[in-house]
Amino acid sequence: DTGVSQNPRHKITKRGQNVTFRCDPISEHNRLYWYRQTLGQGPEFLTYFQNEAQLEKSRLLSDRFSAERPKGSFSTLEIQRTEQGDSAMYLCASSLLSDTQYFGPGTRLTVL
Amino acid sequence: LAKTTQPISMDSYEGQEVNITCSHNNIATNDYITWYQQFPSQGPRFIIQGYKTKVTNEVASLFIPADRKSSTLSLPRVSLSDTAVYYCLVGVGNQGGKLIFGQGTELSVKP
Repeated sequence: DTGVSQNPRHKITKRGQNVTFRCDPISEHNRLYWYRQTLGQGPEFLTYFQNEAQLEKSRLLSDRFSAERPKGSFSTLEIQRTEQGDSAMYLCASSLLSDTQYFGPGTRLTVL
Repeated sequence: LAKTTQPISMDSYEGQEVNITCSHNNIATNDYITWYQQFPSQGPRFIIQGYKTKVTNEVASLFIPADRKSSTLSLPRVSLSDTAVYYCLVGVGNQGGKLIFGQGTELSVKP
């Protein structure tokens, strides 16, 4: 399977814990995006990378959130001191520059 | 950034053609129109993209009138498996790369 992959698919954690998600983009895609989706809403943009550089961050991305793409391939999204409001589906997408974005299956986070 | 308006929900029956219209009155000259499909607990899936007139692929057709202030996604002969949320987006590639999703149209196909 050469699509976008995300791990884990599901994560349940207690409030206050840290969590980290991983996204592996389609190989050779130089852009990688993170989105968050809550029930009944469309995905909301969080941040994106072009190669290793993080080019834009949404104001939704509080200082508890950090994303990295150290070698321009896979990316991680970390949430520190999770809150119940962080419960959502976290989606990753990749593209070749501004071309079509292809999404992964998402990681569903539940904060108890 | 162009805002889109589409129906919240639609119902259809198997075998029918479904047309979902999206309004985007403030579309810019260099904006493209893109549609995504999303099933529950999955990421959005690209369906089709166009700039003007008509685009057709193996999944759907996209009709865009000359003024480009609206577009219509046409799904021929829907089946139960087409039950999903459909999102219309404009300005793809012109917003620093990010996609701006609305609430989408929840299509329910009944037997």
